[in-house]
Amino acid sequence: SQTIHQWPATLVQPVGSPLSLECTVEGTSNPNLYWYRQAAGRGLQLLFYSVGIGQISSEVPQNLSASRPQDRQFILSSKKLLLSDSGFYLCAWSVRGQVFGSPLHFGNGTRLTVT
Amino acid sequence: QQQVKQSPQSLIVQKGGISIINCAYENTAFDYFPWYQQFPGKGPALLIAIRPDVSEKKEGRFTISFNKSAKQFSLHIMDSQPGDSATYFCAASIKVGPLGTGANNLFFGTGTRLTVIP
Repeated sequence: SQTIHQWPATLVQPVGSPLSLECTVEGTSNPNLYWYRQAAGRGLQLLFYSVGIGQISSEVPQNLSASRPQDRQFILSSKKLLLSDSGFYLCAWSVRGQVFGSPLHFGNGTRLTVT
Repeated sequence: QQQVKQSPQSLIVQKGGISIINCAYENTAFDYFPWYQQFPGKGPALLIAIRPDVSEKKEGRFTISFNKSAKQFSLHIMDSQPGDSATYFCAASIKVGPLGTGANNLFFGTGTRLTVIP
């Protein structure tokens, strides 16, 4: 069966510090990968998605970047964190190539607090 | 702009009762409508999903009703249990990225916090 791992679970970082959140998927090959952010009282918002190694698309302009160095590894980064980057970050995967709606499967997230 | 509107914000139901959560959308390009259940500190877990060419889908105690002409869909939880207490999100999916990859963006509602009283 497929599993998705995200770490760390919680993170407290000062403003201006760098960020690196990692996500790995097991049990599937060549998945589509996603980073979402969940703000308090709001739904999730797509930040980045990737359909293959080195292929990254951004949905919203922001202080963050993403990379996919390996097939099942997705990394969310920032060079200098802002207070507004605080939130709950979720990694997700879906089956590549599915014609009709493909469910996204989420990890357990990283709670980031920028102080 | 919220692409998917969800109501109510919170819901309290007695054990054994029916929980109903409603969602509405405007974009007719959405092609897939999943519901997610989220417990505190956890990621959302897929509960049930429906395509727009189907009016109803039932899985156990969970049923999605879908009204394409009204652009509305709802989740019914029958025989609600205390273990169902969680936040529920509706979502609508649209394809993104290169054709054939199947990548999709989910637009989520703002969530409904369900509490089932024993």
